[in-house]
Amino acid sequence: NAGVTQTPKFQVLKTGQSMTLQCAQDMNHNSMYWYRQDPGMGLRLIYYSASEGTTDKGEVPNGYNVSRLNKREFSLRLESAAPSQTSVYFCASSEAPYEQYFGPGTRLTVT
Amino acid sequence: KQEVTQIPAALSVPEGENLVLNCSFTDSAIYNLQWFRQDPGKGLTSLLLIQSSQREQTSGRLNASLDKSSGRSTLYIAASQPGDSATYLCAVSYGGSQGNLIFGKGTKLSVKP
Repeated sequence: NAGVTQTPKFQVLKTGQSMTLQCAQDMNHNSMYWYRQDPGMGLRLIYYSASEGTTDKGEVPNGYNVSRLNKREFSLRLESAAPSQTSVYFCASSEAPYEQYFGPGTRLTVT
Repeated sequence: KQEVTQIPAALSVPEGENLVLNCSFTDSAIYNLQWFRQDPGKGLTSLLLIQSSQREQTSGRLNASLDKSSGRSTLYIAASQPGDSATYLCAVSYGGSQGNLIFGKGTKLSVKP
């Protein structure tokens, strides 16, 4: 039982490049979330998916897209990376609105 | 705007001391409150979840209390150890199908041997 897994763990991009962050959970949760964590800002919600086939914007969605591929997987895509997207990205899952479980994070640097 | 505040931002204590971390939230209509621990460069580990109908939850040396009407929660750590050194995050959920968490900025705890 791996819980919530994220790939990659680290990534360096140049401005304008694109990439997809992958997240998978094996707890059969309906809800999945993407947060970003920045120094002095705390964690902020980017997008969430309340169930397979649905996605909605959170507090800071600009510059990102998401796909809920199936019940297990929820990916986050940066179409044209910007230095302001340098951050640590966390995926989480829950049987909303109950306890959330977090992945280990992806540390992204955009130069 | 729904906000969560944690005070103090940093705390240093000698080993063995009992300590309290504070969390306050502006909108008291929460569904639940969750306390997390985050070690440097790592993910978030859930410590305790308190439902809005509960007053406290305990796990080992940790005790979390909730006063929903005043918009406050505390995390009490008994007999602190150097291994307790980490950042502690408080987060609230307002329920519904969204269920996302609103986080405080955390309290960085250092326990000195």
